Parts: sequence; C-alpha cells; structure tokens
Amino acid sequence: AQSVTQLDSHVSVSEGTPVLLRCNYSSSYSPSLFWYVQHPNKGLQLLLKYTSAATLVKGINGFEAEFKKSETSFHLTKPSAHMSDAAEYFCVVRALNFGNEKLTFGTGTRLTIIP
Amino acid sequence: EADIYQTPRYLVIGTGKKITLECSQTMGHDKMYWYQQDPGMELHLIHYSYGVNSTEKGDLSSESTVSRIRTEHFPLTLESARPSHTSQYLCASSGGGRYYQETQYFGPGTRLLVL
Repeated sequence: AQSVTQLDSHVSVSEGTPVLLRCNYSSSYSPSLFWYVQHPNKGLQLLLKYTSAATLVKGINGFEAEFKKSETSFHLTKPSAHMSDAAEYFCVVRALNFGNEKLTFGTGTRLTIIP
Repeated sequence: EADIYQTPRYLVIGTGKKITLECSQTMGHDKMYWYQQDPGMELHLIHYSYGVNSTEKGDLSSESTVSRIRTEHFPLTLESARPSHTSQYLCASSGGGRYYQETQYFGPGTRLLVL
C-alpha cells in the first residue's frame, strides 16, 4: 500500500521569497515520487521526479525537491517565488514493484503568491 | 511538451444522455489512464489500459466504461449521465522506458457538468 500526505492545503508567500511545499509518503516498496503542477483550467504538468537516483532532484522553473528516506519526505522548494508559480501542486507516489503503474496523489497544496 | 489531447474540454449535458470523452496521444505510449478529479480534491484512478484490448478498473469505482481498440485512442463512455458524474476527467499516458522510469503525461482534462 502507498499513500501521500501534503501537510498544507494552502501556502501563501510573497513574490521573491522562498517556497516550501511539504510532502510525506508511505510505501511498501521503494517509491518513485513526483511533483505535478496544475494551473487553472490546465492539465497537470510534471515539475520533477525521483526514481532512485540522486536524492536531490531539480525540476523545471527553478523548483527542486529532496528525497529523505529517513523522514519519508519529498518536500518541494524554490528559492524565489514568481507570480507565475501560483497554482495547485500535487505530490505523487508510485511504488516500484513491477507492473504497478498506479499513481497515488496527495490532496494538493494551493500556492498563492502575494505581490 | 506532451502530445495528449482531450475533447471536449467542457461539456454541459442533461441527465440520461450518453456521452463519450475522447483521449488521444501521439507518443506511441502503450499505457493509458483515466482519472477523476472533483474541485479542490486529489485525482483518483478510474480506468487504465496496458495496451490494445486491455482495460482494467482503477481504485475509484466508476459507472463509466472504456475501450482500447487502437494504441493512441482511449475513450471513456457514460451510458446515462447523472449529476453525480459532474467532475473533471483527466487522461494520461506513459511508456517507452523501464517501468520505474516512466512518467505519466496528462491531457488538459474535460470538465463535465450534468444538469
């Protein structure tokens, strides 16, 4: 079984300040972890993914995430927020057992950027 | 940029009507998925397919049905729409690599409103 907990349903930061979106996971197998972003009226776009290689993963638009097995966390960060970062962010886990292609989504974190 | 398309983008329809949501991808992916997303909520897998003539039900029970006659096409059908079917439906596909390296790419979604 696998699950994802996004610890904050809503995060507000000022433009130019750091962003931290928190995600904890549980998985019976070695997980793959993803962050997706969803802008209003748009589909989901992959920001970054972890698949058992480097624990610090860099994604698009200046985002990065660090896989911490001891803390079962995969928090998303960005050094300086931009107005265009305002969106819904989903942390996603997939167990690494063969044939299991199913993703488990977190409930999402809505990021608001204050001008 | 992922090449996965969904039509229609928005659909308002009366109770009892039969509807088909279209999903097509031009990436040659063997795996395709349908997710349901209620406003402000996480995504739930309702159907998936590992290839032509392969379809499985997902984690969330759904009255919809799917078919996979061609690799690139994965339509979802509701025989008799009801207001409880009002939601956003997202199609995704993956393939072309080792299973643990694959990424699901999402279409823009169809927002369905059943009156």
